Formats: sequence, C-alpha cells, structure tokens
Amino acid sequence: EVLLVESGGGLVQPGGSLRLSCEASGFTFNTYWMTWVRQAPGKGLEWVASIDQDGSQRHLVDSVKGRFTLSRDNAKKQLYLQLNSLRVEDTALYYCARSDQGWRAGNYYYFMDVWGKGTTVTVSS
Amino acid sequence: SYELTQPPSVSVSPGQTASITCSGDKLGEKFTFWYQQKAGQSPVLVIYQDAKRPSGIPARFSGSNSGNTATLTISGTQAMDEADYFCQAWDRSTVSFGGGTKLTVL
Repeated sequence: EVLLVESGGGLVQPGGSLRLSCEASGFTFNTYWMTWVRQAPGKGLEWVASIDQDGSQRHLVDSVKGRFTLSRDNAKKQLYLQLNSLRVEDTALYYCARSDQGWRAGNYYYFMDVWGKGTTVTVSS
Repeated sequence: SYELTQPPSVSVSPGQTASITCSGDKLGEKFTFWYQQKAGQSPVLVIYQDAKRPSGIPARFSGSNSGNTATLTISGTQAMDEADYFCQAWDRSTVSFGGGTKLTVL
C-alpha cells in the first residue's frame, strides 16, 4: 500500500521555524517527484513546493521563496520542508503528495496522485 | 501565476448529472486534473489528463477540456459524491488550483 505520513507540525510564533517531514512507503520513492500542498482553515488548496527525483530541481510558490526550503533523503524515503520566518498567513494543513509528471501529445503535465493526511502548522502569538 | 476559476457551489439531486466547470486562459491547451475532498479528509484524484479515471474511481466520473474550460461531470450523482472539488493545471513550473466547488447533493 502506498502511504505518505507527514509530521513536524505544531504551534509556533511569528518569525519562528518548523521542519516538516513526510515518510513514504509502498513505492519506489526515488523515482517520483514529490510535492507539498497546503490548505488554510476553511480555504482551498494551495501548491507550496515541488522537488524532482534527485533534488536537483525545486520549484516553490513565490510567497514562500526565501523562507521555505525543500529537500529529500532518498535513502530514508523522506521528504522535508523547512519553514523559516513563519507568518500568520502560513497557518494551514500541510499535505505531502506523490507526483506524476511527463509529456503527452506535446504537452507537459504534473499532478498529485497520492496524498498524505497532512500535518497542521499554526502560526500565532 | 495561472488563474483557474470555479463556481463556488453546485447543487444536484440524487441520480441527476452534476457538471463542475474550471476556466482558465487557453486551458484546453493544458492538461487538467480534478480532486475530490470530502469533509475532514485528504484530497483524492478523480480525473487526470483531462478525462482519465484512476483505478478505483467510479465510471460515473468523467472529464473534458476544450477552449478555456474544463468540465468534471458526475452522472447519476450519489449522496457519497457530496464534497469539494478542485481543478488543477501546470503552468510555467508552477501548480495552479482552482478555488474549489462545493457539490451539494440535495
């Protein structure tokens, strides 16, 4: 069974830091892109960051560039998201998702086919 | 960033057909994906590459994409289909989500 289990969330003051982890099992981790998506309370889904199979390509949403760092450890089958300089607006449920991507009929595609249950980050004083 | 627009809500009677739209500039030239999120649960992929269904997704779920609009269609809607639905596309190294549509089965 493909499983993604996030951890590391919690309550932190504005300006603080957290490190989120995502442990993968049931699939060959080092052959997949991985993605973080967050969802603020009562709001929609917001893409945060994606990383390729060996960590050489990383994409982040503009609002977190310079504050969040994305990495992975393929030997441990772990995905990480380092959250620094946290803001109140970063409060959300953070999902880890396995991603599939490629080219078809001349078009590039990227999507999330398996999601974890998420870990909650609350930024408040 | 690439903007995707969905209606906030759609209502349907049990057994009827529900259609949820997703609009974006030249969206038909991109692949669209759809996720279902039931209350308190994680999102689940229901349609990929415009019209394909992942294993385990009922055949009543279908998708299309042309011009500026992608559509998720649920035929013979059941009470269990009540959920939020999000469309998604990839553009210029970023993932874009629509704002989500709450499907109510009355």
